[in-house]
Amino acid sequence: GAVVSQHPSWVICKSGTSVKIECRSLDFQATTMFWYRQFPKQSLMLMATSNEGSKATYEQGVEKDKFLINHASLTLSTLTVTSAHPEDSSFYICSARDLRQGTYNSPLHFGNGTRLTVT
Amino acid sequence: AQSVTQLGSHVSVSEGALVLLRCNYSSSVPPYLFWYVQYPNQGLQLLLKYTTGATLVKGINGFEAEFKKSETSFHLTKPSAHMSDAAEYFCAVSDRGDSSYKLIFGSGTRLLVRP
Repeated sequence: GAVVSQHPSWVICKSGTSVKIECRSLDFQATTMFWYRQFPKQSLMLMATSNEGSKATYEQGVEKDKFLINHASLTLSTLTVTSAHPEDSSFYICSARDLRQGTYNSPLHFGNGTRLTVT
Repeated sequence: AQSVTQLGSHVSVSEGALVLLRCNYSSSVPPYLFWYVQYPNQGLQLLLKYTTGATLVKGINGFEAEFKKSETSFHLTKPSAHMSDAAEYFCAVSDRGDSSYKLIFGSGTRLLVRP
C-alpha cells in the first residue's frame, strides 16, 4: 500500500535556528500534501495545503513566512520552521493523497510525524 | 464552515466490552466522513470511511461505523474491545464541495481498555 515517509522523526534545535522536515510519498505520486500540527493531547490542526508546482495555501492564522512549505516534486514536500522558538515545539504530521485512486474517494496517507523541540 | 464534534475526550471500557465512540458533524449537506486511529508518537491510520452508498461501513480491526443523516452522526463501534485497541481515535470530515479535499478533525477520543 501507499507509504508516506516523514523525516526526521524527532529533532531538537536551539531557539533562533531553522529546521526542515521532509515528507515523501514512496510508492505513489501526490499532487497535494497537507501539513498538520498537533499539540499534546489535542487534535490535528491543518496548517497548509502543499500543491506541486504552485504556492502552498495556508490556513488562517498560520504565518507563511515562519512555516515555509515547498512542494518540489510529485513525491516530496518540505516544511521549514524558520527562526524557531519554544512555542513552535509540537508534533508535525504530513499527509498525501494518492492520485492512483483518482477521485476524492481516495483517503489521505499520513506520515509518522516529527516531534520538534525548541530549547 | 464544516466542523466535527467528538463527545467524550476519554472512553474507558473493559476488555471484551462494546466500544462506542461518538462523532457528529455540523453541515446540512453530509460530508465525506472518516475515522482514524493514532498510536503514541505516530501518524494516523485510516479505520474506515463513508463517501456514498451503504450507510453501515466496515473497517479494519473489527471496527464499523454507521452514517445516520437524520442524526448527523457517524459513530464508531466495535463489538468486543481488545487491549491493542487502546489509542486515540479521530473522526474527520471533508466538504464534498471543497476542491482542496482537506480534512477537518475532531478533538479526538482516547480509548482506554481495562484488562
